[in-house]
Amino acid sequence: EVQLVESGGGLVQPGGSLRLSCAASGFTFSSFEMIWVRQAPGKGLEWISYISSSGSSINYANSVKGRFTISRDNAKSSLYLQMNSLRAEDTAVYYCARDHIAPGIGWFAPWGQGTLVTVSS
Amino acid sequence: DIVMTQSPDSLAVSLGERATINCKSSQSVLYSSNNKNYLAWYQQKPGQPPKLLIYWASTRESGVPDRFSGSGSGTDFTLTISSLQAEDVAVYYCQHYYSTQYSFGQGTKLEIK
Repeated sequence: EVQLVESGGGLVQPGGSLRLSCAASGFTFSSFEMIWVRQAPGKGLEWISYISSSGSSINYANSVKGRFTISRDNAKSSLYLQMNSLRAEDTAVYYCARDHIAPGIGWFAPWGQGTLVTVSS
Repeated sequence: DIVMTQSPDSLAVSLGERATINCKSSQSVLYSSNNKNYLAWYQQKPGQPPKLLIYWASTRESGVPDRFSGSGSGTDFTLTISSLQAEDVAVYYCQHYYSTQYSFGQGTKLEIK
């Protein structure tokens, strides 16, 4: 069964850092492109970062560029999101998602269940 | 960056009736080299992650009921539910994949009238 499980969320103070992880199983992780998407409470989906299957190509939304870093460890079938200089507006559920096919085109399934990040003093 | 705008923001439809959701992109998402529209639709129910419904603007994902259909080209797209069922209550999102600087529409909340 294809599965994505996020972890690492929690409560952090403004200006702090957090590292999210996404553990993948049930497929050849190294073949698939991955993204992070977040959803603030009661709001819509916001794409925040993309990484190619090899990790050689990366993109960020303007809202997180320079503060967040996406990475992956194909040997561990894991995706990461390092979040620095966190702000209240970064409070959201963070989802990882896999490109549906390999090589990727850009529609995403499956998705993880999400991990909640709360930025507050 | 491509901006995706959905309309309406919310919609109430009677059971068995048609529901129509629109999505407009700020620039064309039609690739001339393959004549494909780089547009997907997702459904999100409360407390759940999004579920892929449609890609290439009109291709249903495996297992998606055929009452769901997508249409449109270039900058204007539509998701249609031909006969609304109770389990279709959800928020629907469009997403472009014309570049890897992806973006989603703001979502359309679909309810039962």
